[in-house]
Amino acid sequence: AQSVSQHNHHVILSEAASLELGCNYSYGGTVNLFWYVQYPGQHLQLLLKYFSGDPLVKGIKGFEAEFIKSKFSFNLRKPSVQWSDTAEYFCAVKTDSWGKLQFGAGTQVVVTP
Amino acid sequence: SAVISQKPSRDICQRGTSLTIQCQVDSQVTMMFWYRQQPGQSLTLIATANQGSEATYESGFVIDKFPISRPNLTFSTLTVSNMSPEDSSIYLCSVEESSYEQYFGPGTRLTVT
Repeated sequence: AQSVSQHNHHVILSEAASLELGCNYSYGGTVNLFWYVQYPGQHLQLLLKYFSGDPLVKGIKGFEAEFIKSKFSFNLRKPSVQWSDTAEYFCAVKTDSWGKLQFGAGTQVVVTP
Repeated sequence: SAVISQKPSRDICQRGTSLTIQCQVDSQVTMMFWYRQQPGQSLTLIATANQGSEATYESGFVIDKFPISRPNLTFSTLTVSNMSPEDSSIYLCSVEESSYEQYFGPGTRLTVT
């Protein structure tokens, strides 16, 4: 069965630290990859996506992600986090054309001032 | 991106009753989806609701328990029937736009007592 794994469930870091969240998926075919973010009290927002082309994609708020096909990975990064980046981050994969998204378990990120 | 609203935002219901959740989109979309997010868990797709056809349910979800309507291109409802405490979750609708990006509503937080 297809699956999406996020390596960390909780991450605590200080402002200005660098952030990297791991995401791996198990599917051998073509995939579309997404990172969503859910800030406290808000709904899910699309952070960035990868469909094809340059494997390094940039999203909103200074986030970027790198697709490494050989490793079935799509890790999210931000060089310097802010307190406002405190949120839950979800990796999601789409493996067919009709829209079903499969989500990872999510990573709760807490940034301390 | 589409703006999605859901009603109610939250509800507390008694075991054995049913609740209908509404999802309204500010633009016409072909594909709408209903997800469930149980406490401490990730999002799981319940069903895909396309206008003019029967909803397609994922494994583990059945129409008798989660009937869905999709009367037009901007609206859908999900009913949670004969509720039990295990149905306590956040229920989210989402839409997929022509860009193949999926956007989510704010969710309906359901507590079953």
